[in-house]
Amino acid sequence: KAGVTQTPRYLIKTRGQQVTLSCSPISGHRSVSWYQQTPGQGLQFLFEYFSETQRNKGNFPGRFSGRQFSNSRSEMNVSTLELGDSALYLCASSPGQGPETQYFGPGTRLLVL
Amino acid sequence: DQQVKQNSPSLSVQEGRISILNCDYTNSMFDYFLWYKKYPAEGPTFLISISSIKDKNEDGRFTVFLNKSAKHLSLHIVPSQPGDSAVYFCAASARTGNQFYFGTGTSLTVIP
Repeated sequence: KAGVTQTPRYLIKTRGQQVTLSCSPISGHRSVSWYQQTPGQGLQFLFEYFSETQRNKGNFPGRFSGRQFSNSRSEMNVSTLELGDSALYLCASSPGQGPETQYFGPGTRLLVL
Repeated sequence: DQQVKQNSPSLSVQEGRISILNCDYTNSMFDYFLWYKKYPAEGPTFLISISSIKDKNEDGRFTVFLNKSAKHLSLHIVPSQPGDSAVYFCAASARTGNQFYFGTGTSLTVIP
């Protein structure tokens, strides 16, 4: 099976702009979770989508949003970018019965200038 | 609040010896635990899992131990190999959902 794919792999934006990141899960997986990784902070949970519905949400401001399509592909959007949003954004997929092993994509490295 | 903690930011071990990575958690509702390995510029790779009904799980060179009363888990790698050099993350979740809490990671260096 193909693994989790994320696009783009790298992105440079300026403050105030918005950005959309994409994640395609492993075939058959219905749950997609998003994480933010910054130096020294580990992976911080953003949200989880299952069957096109947000099922869990972490403690991030409303500028961070997401959605999931009927084919389980997911997008994450960050509006009004701030310098502190520079991070590696990872998505992970799993079958969706929770809790269960999550499989990660390679991540999108976002740099906000 | 950091519900999952890895108090050792780094660890160095000689090739062939045992590597022991530790993880502590505070939430007694956590009952499913994962260990991941991460290389720079890559996503985390799943290593091994354990649920709270067990206190040990083995997979090849990797063994995870869970001490529920101490809210502590550890990952043992025996024997350690230079290719094991990476950052290791532990993660925990409660049975109520698929939301995982990650530690801040331990950077393991295996010296040839």
